Amino acid sequence: SQQGEEDPQALSIQEGENATMNCSYKTSINNLQWYRQNSGRGLVHLILIRSNEREKHSGRLRVTLDTSKKSSSLLITASRAADTASYFCATYNNDMRFGAGTRLTVKP
Amino acid sequence: EAGVVQSPRYKIIEKKQPVAFWCNPISGHNTLYWYLQNLGQGPELLIRYENEEAVDDSQLPKDRFSAERLKGVDSTLKIQPAELGDSAVYLCASSPVRGTGELFFGEGSRLTVL
Repeated sequence: SQQGEEDPQALSIQEGENATMNCSYKTSINNLQWYRQNSGRGLVHLILIRSNEREKHSGRLRVTLDTSKKSSSLLITASRAADTASYFCATYNNDMRFGAGTRLTVKP
Repeated sequence: EAGVVQSPRYKIIEKKQPVAFWCNPISGHNTLYWYLQNLGQGPELLIRYENEEAVDDSQLPKDRFSAERLKGVDSTLKIQPAELGDSAVYLCASSPVRGTGELFFGEGSRLTVL
């Protein structure tokens, strides 16, 4: 069974625009992570935010976490065509459970 | 450092045939996961190993699926007999012991059952 739900399911933007993806989850967590998956490939870890953190940055990525609402958001700034991929949130508490993902398309 | 290695990358079989997938995790990673990913969906956990012990196999359909991790390193996931609905990508991931849970994934094994 899947833990998280991403919103939107699909997102299409122009290069240079910002992309925001949201994730909601159901149970308590140790941390929340975001992964990226290019078509036909495995998942790649992007960023981790601990349950006692509210915001984290890594390059063009910004992640927020609201444990009271059991939700997180991933912001990709100044998107590039190479950012086209599926993005998954995953919650960790002894094991890792993934959401259904957001399919991001960045048009050049 | 080598990443997680999975084989085969692609497998096409007839229904009712057996199939096996192999995973070699990153050296030193004690935790190993098998996930199933259907098209357009997120990975769904099948089984988690801590060393050679299966600590969470509640999502593994035990009537036809089996897994093993001998000596706490490589792992094999087997399906016997395969059904049409088993067509999916089988992903293996590993994680360091006492880590944050960050997973390192292999490229996956794509199974097509005809």
